[in-house]
Amino acid sequence: KAGVTQTPRYLIKTRGQQVTLSCSPISGHRSVSWYQQTPGQGLQFLFEYFSETQRNKGNFPGRFSGRQFSNSRSEMNVSTLELGDSALYLCASSFPGENTDTQYFGPGTRLTVL
Amino acid sequence: AQSVAQPEDQVNVAEGNPLTVKCTYSVSGNPYLFWYVQYPNRGLQFLLKYITGDNLVKGSYGFEAEFNKSQTSFHLKKPSALVSDSALYFCAVRDNGGFKTIFGAGTRLFVKA
Repeated sequence: KAGVTQTPRYLIKTRGQQVTLSCSPISGHRSVSWYQQTPGQGLQFLFEYFSETQRNKGNFPGRFSGRQFSNSRSEMNVSTLELGDSALYLCASSFPGENTDTQYFGPGTRLTVL
Repeated sequence: AQSVAQPEDQVNVAEGNPLTVKCTYSVSGNPYLFWYVQYPNRGLQFLLKYITGDNLVKGSYGFEAEFNKSQTSFHLKKPSALVSDSALYFCAVRDNGGFKTIFGAGTRLFVKA
């Protein structure tokens, strides 16, 4: 089975721009979560989706948004980019989406904001 | 609120020696606990988890973890470290009502040959 894929792998943007990151979960997985990883803050939870519904959201400003499609693929969007948004963005999927399920992570998208 | 603490930023161990990476947690209700490992420029890889049952959980690559409810700890262990075990290790707790995973700050493990 193919693992979690994330595109693009690397992205360079300038302040004020917006960006969309994509995540394709493992086939059959219905839950997708997003995390931001930075050296200073570690891994921070952004949001989790299940069957196209956001089940939980972390403490991030409204500039961060996401969605999930009927095929379980997910996108996250960051508008009005700031320098502090530079980070590794990780996506994880699980089946079927229960709290005890193991999450499987993609390789991440490295976003650099200049 | 759920939280996870990894008290050591870094652990150094010689190859062949046993290793322990510490984790303590705070949750309401039953804890769902996980360990993940991250190699450079990679995503996180699942090592093991505790949901219920035996307090000693065995996982991938020879790792195991011991759940201790009274001490609210879930330490990761391996009897004999390998240089290839050098990586960043994360302990995590699943919010058992809110579909949210909270990660510790991570512990960098260095295994010296």
